Amino acid sequence: DTGVSQNPRHKITKRGQNVTFRCDPISEHNRLYWYRQTLGQGPEFLTYFQNEAQLEKSRLLSDRFSAERPKGSFSTLEIQRTEQGDSAMYLCASKPGSGGAWDEQFFGPGTRLTVL
Amino acid sequence: AQSVTQLDSHVSVSEGTPVLLRCNYSSSYSPSLFWYVQHPNKGLQLLLKYTSAATLVKGINGFEAEFKKSETSFHLTKPSAHMSDAAEYFCVVSDPVSNFGNEKLTFGTGTRLTIIP
Repeated sequence: DTGVSQNPRHKITKRGQNVTFRCDPISEHNRLYWYRQTLGQGPEFLTYFQNEAQLEKSRLLSDRFSAERPKGSFSTLEIQRTEQGDSAMYLCASKPGSGGAWDEQFFGPGTRLTVL
Repeated sequence: AQSVTQLDSHVSVSEGTPVLLRCNYSSSYSPSLFWYVQHPNKGLQLLLKYTSAATLVKGINGFEAEFKKSETSFHLTKPSAHMSDAAEYFCVVSDPVSNFGNEKLTFGTGTRLTIIP
């Protein structure tokens, strides 16, 4: 296992288009997180899955955003009707279910979205 | 709500000199604190973490941090900077009072470390 992977690494789209990103967590990590990082800022929490259940969503996640984790393995994040303000790095992280707050999250390389 | 404040957005040091990256936290609970590093075009990597076992925490690549409850600080240090240390560093707090097991992370705004040859 080589860690958390994300695809694509880069996405350029026009305003109003829909985009979908994929995250493959470390196998057997049942907790999965999405974060968004804008230029010059630290990552901000978007949403959290435990297995296939989406248990928490940030207020940052508008109704144009939807995330799924259908079989408790990989996850997708879709943005509909993209806006220029959606341009950011989207990061995925995972951690084992047995851990606590003191256990690290393992991050993927991110998907950089540019909305023209 | 928990938060972290990184006091310097940019730090420059000469190669071979000490590094100090400052972080203050705010928490109503006993926090779990982390330092992550982000190199260009690479994912976030854990440097070290504080979990209340010891106030002085040693991490990878010669970095260490000291948890000071009285000062609500968790500063990151390294005795001698190397060119490969140039990166963005994030101080992070984990929410111990989690909803449905969601120990989501709250990041500081980051400190960009530049190493002068």
